[in-house]
Amino acid sequence: DTGVSQDPRHKITKRGQNVTFRCDPISEHNRLYWYRQTLGQGPEFLTYFQNEAQLEKSRLLSDRFSAERPKGSFSTLEIQRTEQGDSAMYLCASSLSVGSSSYEQYFGPGTRLTVT
Amino acid sequence: KNQVEQSPQSLIILEGKNCTLQCNYTVSPFSNLRWYKQDTGRGPVSLTIMTFSENTKSNGRYTATLDADTKQSSLHITASQLSDSASYICVVSGNFNKFYFGSGTKLNVKP
Repeated sequence: DTGVSQDPRHKITKRGQNVTFRCDPISEHNRLYWYRQTLGQGPEFLTYFQNEAQLEKSRLLSDRFSAERPKGSFSTLEIQRTEQGDSAMYLCASSLSVGSSSYEQYFGPGTRLTVT
Repeated sequence: KNQVEQSPQSLIILEGKNCTLQCNYTVSPFSNLRWYKQDTGRGPVSLTIMTFSENTKSNGRYTATLDADTKQSSLHITASQLSDSASYICVVSGNFNKFYFGSGTKLNVKP
C-alpha cells in the first residue's frame, strides 16, 4: 500500500496522559499536514511541514501539542496532558509541492483519540 | 474572512435518486476547489478538483460545477447507490499552502 498511513488507528487514554501519533506520508510527497476533526465537522488545520520544516501552526495547536518531522519523511504528533476536549479524529495528509504549485492532498485513515 | 459553507447539513435520499450538494465560499485569492468523500471513520478521499477556469468536472456518477463569479460550487450525484452514504466535504485552496474546509454534508442513501 503506497498511500498515507497512520498509527495507531484508535487510541483510548486517560485524562492527563501523553499520547503520540505517527503519520507516514506518500514517499515522494514533501508536504505533510495534520488536521483535527470532531464529529459532524470538517477537518480543522493544525500544522504543516515542508520537508522537515514546520512552516505554519494553527492557534488551535496549544502548547500541549507538538509535531515533528525530523527527516522530512514520517511525522509525529504528540499531545501532552490530554484533556477530554482533545477527543477527536486526527488526520494526516500529504501532497507534492513544486514551486508555488501545490497538488492533491492525500489523506490517511486517521487516528481516533478518546480521552476518558 | 475566508469561509466555506456547505448545505444542506444532512440529506436523506432513496437509492437510485439524484441529489445536489452546495458549497459557497468567500476564500480569496482562489486557487482551486475540491470535493472529498469521507466514509465514517475514514480519511477523506478526493472526488474532483477544479481550478478557476473550469466550470464542470465529472468523476463517474459525480459531477461538480464551479461558478467562480458567484463563488459557488455544487456536487451532483446521479443514480445514487447505498455506498454513496458518506460525508461530502468541499475544500477551497486560497493559495499554495492554505486549505479551507467546509463542515460537510452528510448523505444517507436508503434502500
